[in-house]
Amino acid sequence: GESVGLHLPTLSVQEGDNSIINCAYSNSASDYFIWYKQESGKGPQFIIDIRSNMDKRQGQRVTVLLNKTVKHLSLQIAATQPGDSAVYFCAENSGGSNYKLTFGKGTLLTVNP
Amino acid sequence: DADVTQTPRNRITKTGKRIMLECSQTKGHDRMYWYRQDPGLGLRLIYYSFDVKDINKGEISDGYSVSRQAQAKFSLSLESAIPNQTALYFCATSSTKFPKGRTDTQYFGPGTRLTVL
Repeated sequence: GESVGLHLPTLSVQEGDNSIINCAYSNSASDYFIWYKQESGKGPQFIIDIRSNMDKRQGQRVTVLLNKTVKHLSLQIAATQPGDSAVYFCAENSGGSNYKLTFGKGTLLTVNP
Repeated sequence: DADVTQTPRNRITKTGKRIMLECSQTKGHDRMYWYRQDPGLGLRLIYYSFDVKDINKGEISDGYSVSRQAQAKFSLSLESAIPNQTALYFCATSSTKFPKGRTDTQYFGPGTRLTVL
């Protein structure tokens, strides 16, 4: 079956730098994507989402970019802070009426002071 | 998300025991989900419920059962726990009733860490 995948399992950045976390998806029918942040010992926390009729969406310090041509999703975090250290994973909804999400395995972001 | 609570937060049990994990939500969402999370495997769907009378198996339902007692409550049972069911278990909710229409965003509880010896 089709699934969501990540290019990098770990990412280490310096505090204040911008971070980019990537995600590839293979289901061309997917029409909704979400980025989650999971801190150690906690449940996944919604960060930002984007629908397939958009190619960019911005939140507070975060931007999600969607490139449907190459089936690629990225999360950009501006001015990364130590509190941003966590596992980030993307999820896709493949459309249809069941609204189930398929989750990627995650990228561990470590922010060095 | 404090609107989604799970009990217990941690549980250690022995092989063969029956275990129930509970999930409650105050978000008013109609849909609820149970996932397990294992290192390197990500989140995998066990069961999901679109309303009280609509319960569906996910990708890894064997060895598990669920009960949707009310719109706000969704419990997961391990009929006879085995060691490979040791994992983090998450409950999640979503809604089809937002004023803006369909939303697929799922909101997660804090998780239950289950260890089966």
